[in-house]
Amino acid sequence: GESVGLHLPTLSVQEGDNSIINCAYSNSASDYFIWYKQESGKGPQFIIDIRSNMDKRQGQRVTVLLNKTVKHLSLQIAATQPGDSAVYFCAEIPSGGGADGLTFGKGTHLIIQP
Amino acid sequence: DAGVTQSPTHLIKTRGQQVTLRCSPKSGHDTVSWYQQALGQGPQFIFQYYEEEERQRGNFPDRFSGHQFPNYSSELNVNALLLGDSALYLCASSLGGARYGYTFGSGTRLTVV
Repeated sequence: GESVGLHLPTLSVQEGDNSIINCAYSNSASDYFIWYKQESGKGPQFIIDIRSNMDKRQGQRVTVLLNKTVKHLSLQIAATQPGDSAVYFCAEIPSGGGADGLTFGKGTHLIIQP
Repeated sequence: DAGVTQSPTHLIKTRGQQVTLRCSPKSGHDTVSWYQQALGQGPQFIFQYYEEEERQRGNFPDRFSGHQFPNYSSELNVNALLLGDSALYLCASSLGGARYGYTFGSGTRLTVV
């Protein structure tokens, strides 16, 4: 079936560098995408979202890019800090309602090197 | 402002037993969704409760059932536990039956032995 997936299970970056976390989705009917951050022992925490009628959205130190042509979503984190260490999930909501809640990918573990 | 509260935080059950997990939504939220997160995986949608009714359901067997109370709190019940039910169970609250604007709790870690 259709699902949201991620390209890399683990990403290691130097503190202060920019991080880019990628996500491929296959459900062309999805119209809303969300990035979550999950720290050890905690539930997912909302980072940023984007609707399918947009291709870029910026938050504080984070930017989400959506390329509908190739069904690709990315999260860019500027000036990565130790507190950014976590697992990052992309999630999608199909348009037109549906009974599946959010569909999450498997996650990318972001490791910050000092 | 209290966030989402889940209890217990950890639980160990024996295969075949039944378990009840509890969730209190964030203040002001009226909708509760439950997710199962296996180790190393993303959360999977179980079901959503709004106005004390199950509104949406994911691909989970009938062994998984739930309830929402008038104060918007919710319970997740799992009968006839299997080893494969071992996971982190996450509760997410939102407003008006929405699937966005979630606030997640920290989860209940269920281990079935």
